[in-house]
Amino acid sequence: DQQVKQNSPSLSVQEGRISILNCDYTNSMFDYFLWYKKYPAEGPTFLISISSIKDKNEDGRFTVFLNKSAKHLSLHIVPSQPGDSAVYFCAASLANRDDKIIFGKGTRLHILP
Amino acid sequence: EAQVTQNPRYLITVTGKKLTVTCSQNMNHEYMSWYRQDPGLGLRQIYYSMNVEVTDKGDVPEGYKVSRKEKRNFPLILESPSPNQTSLYFCASSLSAWASSGGETQYFGPGTRLLVL
Repeated sequence: DQQVKQNSPSLSVQEGRISILNCDYTNSMFDYFLWYKKYPAEGPTFLISISSIKDKNEDGRFTVFLNKSAKHLSLHIVPSQPGDSAVYFCAASLANRDDKIIFGKGTRLHILP
Repeated sequence: EAQVTQNPRYLITVTGKKLTVTCSQNMNHEYMSWYRQDPGLGLRQIYYSMNVEVTDKGDVPEGYKVSRKEKRNFPLILESPSPNQTSLYFCASSLSAWASSGGETQYFGPGTRLLVL
């Protein structure tokens, strides 16, 4: 059972426009969410996070929105730049003794010139 | 420079031949973890370690072993590799075990691409 879902395997966006990457989760106990960015041949790098007590977190061009009632979060990148072309992983953590982090399958973002 | 290193970066081996992928971090992190990344499946956790001598199974531990004798090292051991373990492996570390209050970010190594024939 996939607890963190990224239903779009890929997304293409024109440079300068807004990129919106979506993520759904099934476990209402998740209390922390993160986005990681991954370039080919490199490990994932942390991008932005949000606690379940918030509904929005912003860092420069990146904003994450959390809708707890819908169990949905999204990452907005505006304006999109060529260097944003990468795979984006949504992840969630569960505050129990295991302290595990669960990743989605990833969405490949292509920024078109 | 703060980093997580993995060795080797690329490895081709044959079924049944024991191998070890090393992972080392220089940030004095307590928490370390191994993931595998497969097409269409994203990142899946294999094993993790909250601290020295403390290890736990992740979501896909079968066929793997780990050890945490020192804080900085967390090797991944495949006692008898099989073709279904062909994958891209990432080691990661963070200051402490995942904390909901602060949300410790994980730092990932560059990855080890393993092919088991």
